[in-house]
Amino acid sequence: QVHLQQWGAGLLKPSETLSLTCGVYGSSFTDYYWSWIRQSPEKGLEWIGEISHTRNTSRSPSFKSRVTLSVDKSRRQFSLRLRSVTAADTGVFFCARVGGGGYEDAWGQGTLVTVS
Amino acid sequence: EIILTQSPATLSLSPGERATLSCRASQSISNYLGWYQQRPGQAPRLLIYDASNRATGIPARFSGSGSGTDFTLTISSLEAEDFATYYCQQRDNWVVTFGQGTRLEI
Repeated sequence: QVHLQQWGAGLLKPSETLSLTCGVYGSSFTDYYWSWIRQSPEKGLEWIGEISHTRNTSRSPSFKSRVTLSVDKSRRQFSLRLRSVTAADTGVFFCARVGGGGYEDAWGQGTLVTVS
Repeated sequence: EIILTQSPATLSLSPGERATLSCRASQSISNYLGWYQQRPGQAPRLLIYDASNRATGIPARFSGSGSGTDFTLTISSLEAEDFATYYCQQRDNWVVTFGQGTRLEI
């Protein structure tokens, strides 16, 4: 059974870099893309981007200039870095598996990130 | 960017009733639409993919329909655990967008 476990700092100051990592358990790591999604009361669910084990990436235009996605195949982990955060970046960040057809069919537990 | 508009924003029903939720796309997306359920404090869960296919383990009371720009999620007979927020999602040219959600309340 697939399980995604995510971790990272939950409190940041403006201008700092958000860094989150997601570990993949019980699933092939090479057969899927892996994505990040943010949820906030103001904007709802926002897709940030996704990455494959071969480091093919796609990023939302809304985040593209500030986002770095990376993958560590040997550890079965993928990571998100979001630079120059502001209060508007406050929200719950989820990692997810992108299944066939491009739908997020497994999700991490979410990490609340507060920028203050 | 394709915009998804969900209606209504809030739907108030009772257990046993039928729920009909709508999602409209700003341009045609064929059948490339998913539906998710999110309960408070939890991550979203995939219910329906490609507009009408139930994801693994999803009960038969959930069904999806539609194509092009207009889509519907139907819950045939509401159970207590179905009261949650529902989101539609599309993927077009490697960019994903979500609707703003419909809150289904008792």
